[in-house]
Amino acid sequence: QVQLQESGPGLVKPSQTLSLTCTVSGGSFRSGSYFWSWIRQSAGKGLEWIGRVYTSGSTDYNPSLKSRVSFSVDTSKKQFSLKLTSVTAADAAVYYCANAGRGQAYDIWGQGTKVTVSS
Amino acid sequence: DIQMTQSPSSLSASVGDRVTITCRASQSISTYLNWYQQKAGKAPKVLIYAASTLQSGVPSRFSGSGSGTDFTLTISSLQPEDFATYYCQQSYSIPVTFGQGTRLEIK
Repeated sequence: QVQLQESGPGLVKPSQTLSLTCTVSGGSFRSGSYFWSWIRQSAGKGLEWIGRVYTSGSTDYNPSLKSRVSFSVDTSKKQFSLKLTSVTAADAAVYYCANAGRGQAYDIWGQGTKVTVSS
Repeated sequence: DIQMTQSPSSLSASVGDRVTITCRASQSISTYLNWYQQKAGKAPKVLIYAASTLQSGVPSRFSGSGSGTDFTLTISSLQPEDFATYYCQQSYSIPVTFGQGTRLEIK
């Protein structure tokens, strides 16, 4: 069974870049759905889809974040990563990595990592 | 973006009650609609995908219906472990969007 684990700093200063990594374990990086996603959840905006990265490296981003976000994939390490630039307090949230299965429903989630934006 | 609107935003019910939560999409999404349950401090868990298909391992008291713009999640007989927040999500188009959530509380 595939498991996901987010990692990265829990505190980021305003205007800096948030970097998170999701490590895939317990299964093939290419098995199941062929794309991997990032979703965040804040008290103010609920669940927000950030985007997805295909194992090929192609990406889809939420237009609301597209100018500041980028994804990458490291197949050899079974990891995919998120970078979000110029963060503000509005980017404080719990960040999840997730994998979609049947119906493009997210059936595998990491435990989530809380990110605080503060100087 | 496709807007997903859930109603009600919160709901009080008792163990054994039948509960229905509604989700409306701002445009037709066919049956590209999924339902999740989330408990405090945990990641969401998928209950229903493609509007009406029960995810493996989910109790049969959960059911989903609808197509186009209007969808419902029904819990036929509430159990103590069902008190949580429920979200709908459309996978019809990018960006994927979620409803604002329905908090189900114990009466």
